[in-house]
Amino acid sequence: DTEVTQTPKHLVMGMTNKKSLKCEQHMGHRAMYWYKQKAKKPPELMFVYSYEKLSINESVPSRFSPECPNSSLLNLHLHALQPEDSALYLCASSQETHRGSGANVLTFGAGSRLTVL
Amino acid sequence: AQKITQTQPGMFVQEKEAVTLDCTYDTSDPSYGLFWYKQPSSGEMIFLIYQGSYDQQNATEGRYSLNFQKARKSANLVISASQLGDSAMYFCAMRENNYGQNFVFGPGTRLSVLP
Repeated sequence: DTEVTQTPKHLVMGMTNKKSLKCEQHMGHRAMYWYKQKAKKPPELMFVYSYEKLSINESVPSRFSPECPNSSLLNLHLHALQPEDSALYLCASSQETHRGSGANVLTFGAGSRLTVL
Repeated sequence: AQKITQTQPGMFVQEKEAVTLDCTYDTSDPSYGLFWYKQPSSGEMIFLIYQGSYDQQNATEGRYSLNFQKARKSANLVISASQLGDSAMYFCAMRENNYGQNFVFGPGTRLSVLP
């Protein structure tokens, strides 16, 4: 069973639509991440939440808006996206992000494949 | 500067043979972790193996082992007895203990296992 669950698996949206990607984990992890991955490229970090607070925003355009309602849930709200935003969006979680947490493994979800028309 | 280098964009291996995927890294942090992930065409990133910078022994997990050469800053993944299901993208990644909260991923190596 996948321990990090992402919905939907596929999403097609127009440039004027508003949609959300959802991510859920029940491993008691306190850090959650959004990554964007284009074809044949490695994942690129977008946001990190640590103890439900946004701790990293990698200069992501405001048309992407993250939300962490509680320690198990992570959302990514999408609005007025561009065709170049089409990609695989990966959610991940880890136990901690603080100093000394190098051993903490990132556990990924299966991803949400987004197509913007 | 790129922190993780994977010099092999693509690799082929015959089924049942062993294969080594190369990874070199760059860091000034004395404490760090190195990871390998597998990404099949379905998209999910699957954790394979972890090596800590202070670990004395090379990590092993089933058919996966990590050839860790700290002085050379290399962390090569060895897959023994390759199977058709091993065909996938493989990413080497690093997390520095004292700098930042991010995993840095290498560009990846696409492995194809031939029957």
